[in-house]
Formats: sequence, structure tokens, C-alpha cells
Amino acid sequence: DGGITQSPKYLFRKEGQNVTLSCEQNLNHDAMYWYRQDPGQGLRLIYYSQIVNDFQKGDIAEGYSVSREKKESFPLTVTSAQKNPTAFYLCASSGLRVVEAFFGQGTRLTVV
Amino acid sequence: GQNIDQPTEMTATEGAIVQINCTYQTSGFNGLFWYQQHAGEAPTFLSYNVLDGLEEKGRFSSFLSRSKGYSYLLLKELQMKDSASYLCAVYNQGGKLIFGQGTELSVKP
Repeated sequence: DGGITQSPKYLFRKEGQNVTLSCEQNLNHDAMYWYRQDPGQGLRLIYYSQIVNDFQKGDIAEGYSVSREKKESFPLTVTSAQKNPTAFYLCASSGLRVVEAFFGQGTRLTVV
Repeated sequence: GQNIDQPTEMTATEGAIVQINCTYQTSGFNGLFWYQQHAGEAPTFLSYNVLDGLEEKGRFSSFLSRSKGYSYLLLKELQMKDSASYLCAVYNQGGKLIFGQGTELSVKP
């Protein structure tokens, strides 16, 4: 079955540690996106990528980094520079002709 | 600048009709989406509009006016399970998919 997978669903880290969130899709989609959602808020764009080996900053990129070495994969690293990393992180993908963006089930990151 | 506005919350009665509005200002426009999101879950796709007019899909309809930067989502025959957050999102020419803050809909008996 085609889809987009995020892992893990829940993640706990100590303050000051970097952590990488996984996002894999087998939909043959060119575009991939990372969003952050805080309680009671909408989705804020962190990074997005239209093609392999290329990505752009979204609205809240500070303290985050990404890579796009393969079409299927778009991992997000939450660095120690991110001042308030505890949030729900969502990954999405879409074809070049965007008529729908598919979401993974999300990763809930808690930094203690 | 880029801005997408929706009401923060709305309340409606089971069996009724509710309209959720969305206004947007973005750098270029390549389509508008509506998503439904239940608490703690990922958003699920409801509709896509790229041309002006109304798109109907069962109990859900979505309208777009590009000249006014305006869309609405219409939900008919409301059910309790429709209680959720409804997200408006715009795909701009730069390839960004930008979301509004969402409208929390409460359906009451």
C-alpha cells in the first residue's frame, strides 16, 4: 500500500540534544513538507522540498535542518538551537501537479 | 506578505448547515485546500479548488473566488463526528503549502 510514514509516533529527548524525525513516502511524490503544530494552533511550515537535493526554508526554519538525498525520504533534525522544540510534527508529500497533499501520522516530540 | 484567515471557533447544531470562511493573501496562487483534523491526529483531505466556483462532494462543498481571495467550506446535515478542526491551506507559486490557524467546529445535539 502506498503512503507516507513518520516514525516514531512519540519521542522523548533531553534538552540540549539533537533529534532526527523520519519521514518516508512510497507515493513517488516529488514535493515533501515539514510542519509544526502547537496545541490549538494551525500548521506552520518549517521546510519544504520540490526535488531531490534541493529544499527551501519555510516560515519557522530556525533551529531545524533537513536533507533530501533520496526522493522517498525527507528527515528533519531538531537541533539544540530550537528554543521550544516540544510540539506535534507533521510530514506531508504531494505530486508536482498538486491536487492533494498526503500526511503522515505525525511525531509528538517532548523535550524534557 | 502571506496571510490566511479563518474564524477560530464555531458552534452548530446536529442536522444543521455550517459555513466556514477563509480569506487569503499569498504571493501567487496555485490552489486552495480544505482539511479536517481530529485532535491528536493527522489532517485528512476534504477538497481542492483551483478555479472559481463550487465543488461538491457528498455532505461537503467548497467554494472559491480568486478575485476576492475567498473560500468557504459548507457542511450539510451535520453529525456529531463532524466536530473537528477545519484547516484552509493555499499552494502558492513558490511551491509553498501554507495553512491557516484552523477553525474548531463543535457540533451539539
